[in-house]
Amino acid sequence: ETGVTQSPTHLIKTRGQQVTLRCSSQSGHNTVSWYQQALGQGPQFIFQYYREEENGRGNFPPRFSGLQFPNYSSELNVNALELDDSALYLCASSLAGADTQYFGPGTRLTVL
Amino acid sequence: SQQGEEDPQALSIQEGENATMNCSYKTSINNLQWYRQNSGRGLVHLILIRSNEREKHSGRLRVTLDTSKKSSSLLITASRAADTASYFCATDAGGTSYGKLTFGQGTILTVHP
Repeated sequence: ETGVTQSPTHLIKTRGQQVTLRCSSQSGHNTVSWYQQALGQGPQFIFQYYREEENGRGNFPPRFSGLQFPNYSSELNVNALELDDSALYLCASSLAGADTQYFGPGTRLTVL
Repeated sequence: SQQGEEDPQALSIQEGENATMNCSYKTSINNLQWYRQNSGRGLVHLILIRSNEREKHSGRLRVTLDTSKKSSSLLITASRAADTASYFCATDAGGTSYGKLTFGQGTILTVHP
């Protein structure tokens, strides 16, 4: 167990809807990163938050947005869901400047 | 986009045998990390090797890094059925990309009892 939790575990949405995924960091970690993992693929970096500010973004459209809260927990929001958004969404927490990231169990999103 | 490729895509061995997985990447790196994933769940960090290191050990794991060839290998010795999982390499380019990991597509390892 890494101490990183995510909710919900599974989620089913329909195309065009909006979704919010949540992540609680490991205690004391001030950096959160989000990754999308399509079936059979490796994770792809979405964005990272450090002290409530976005600190780098991967090749994802603006309908993917995030928040980090003062307690370092985080949300990933996806608007106008598309079928290709179906994936496992992973968050990872770390201390700024530390190399190792600790991943949560993921949220499985299915878009119908 | 994926940083590189992992080889083989799938590996099937008997308990007690060694398993070797390879990873190639495209750009210069600050460090390279290996992760394990069981049944499509969260990733577990296994080992990290920095760009100025050539080899690193942790228990039954041995990682090598060849920055001139932009490649790494992960060796699991005396494998166990519990090692059955997907294994991913991830690179950290450092600089402004520090902490933004780029993953390979993974190797599926099956260890038969």
